[in-house]
Amino acid sequence: NAGVTQTPKFQVLKTGQSMTLQCAQDMNHEYMSWYRQDPGMGLRLIHYSVGAGITDQGEVPNGYNVSRSTTEDFPLRLLSAAPSQTSVYFCASRGTLQETQYFGPGTRLLVL
Amino acid sequence: AQKITQTQPGMFVQEKEAVTLDCTYDTSDQSYGLFWYKQPSSGEMIFLIYQGSYDEQNATEGRYSLNFQKARKSANLVISASQLGDSAMYFCAMRAYGRGTASKLTFGTGTRLQVTL
Repeated sequence: NAGVTQTPKFQVLKTGQSMTLQCAQDMNHEYMSWYRQDPGMGLRLIHYSVGAGITDQGEVPNGYNVSRSTTEDFPLRLLSAAPSQTSVYFCASRGTLQETQYFGPGTRLLVL
Repeated sequence: AQKITQTQPGMFVQEKEAVTLDCTYDTSDQSYGLFWYKQPSSGEMIFLIYQGSYDEQNATEGRYSLNFQKARKSANLVISASQLGDSAMYFCAMRAYGRGTASKLTFGTGTRLQVTL
């Protein structure tokens, strides 16, 4: 199993550009989430999904969009990038009967 | 809403010594889970240990143990026999077990641990 994979590992954007951060898992996990990590603030939940076709907002959803068309994939879209979205983004997944969330390696995003 | 507080921004410990990383939490939920994650300089988030709110015994995983004091709402991580490879950022997190909380982990701000010779 590859676990949770994220692409790209690093991305530089200009203000106003859009992009999609990819996340995939091969563990057949129902639950998937996106977090952002900023210095001194720990990880904060952006959006999450409890299954294909079902998504909901987390703590800091503004400026981000998600969809979940398959169990495996949970992409995060930045509609119009802003410097405040410079951060490290983590995707995580969890099985229905598991306690542990497994994290991907992260995507480092710089918005100029 | 849940809140996690980690009051130690940084800690030093000598190799082979034990160290305790503090974590307090706040929640109105009766049922919840507490987690510790390790983040080395390479950046990945590594799960260390889990404690359920109804577990009567403190969780242990190898050199890691979780000192759970429910009345004090604390969930301190104890690392025994520290190794140089334990140098990393450590995050305490919790998840409440209620409607709509299946994927919601709330994290503290972390403690940076440095293990010295």
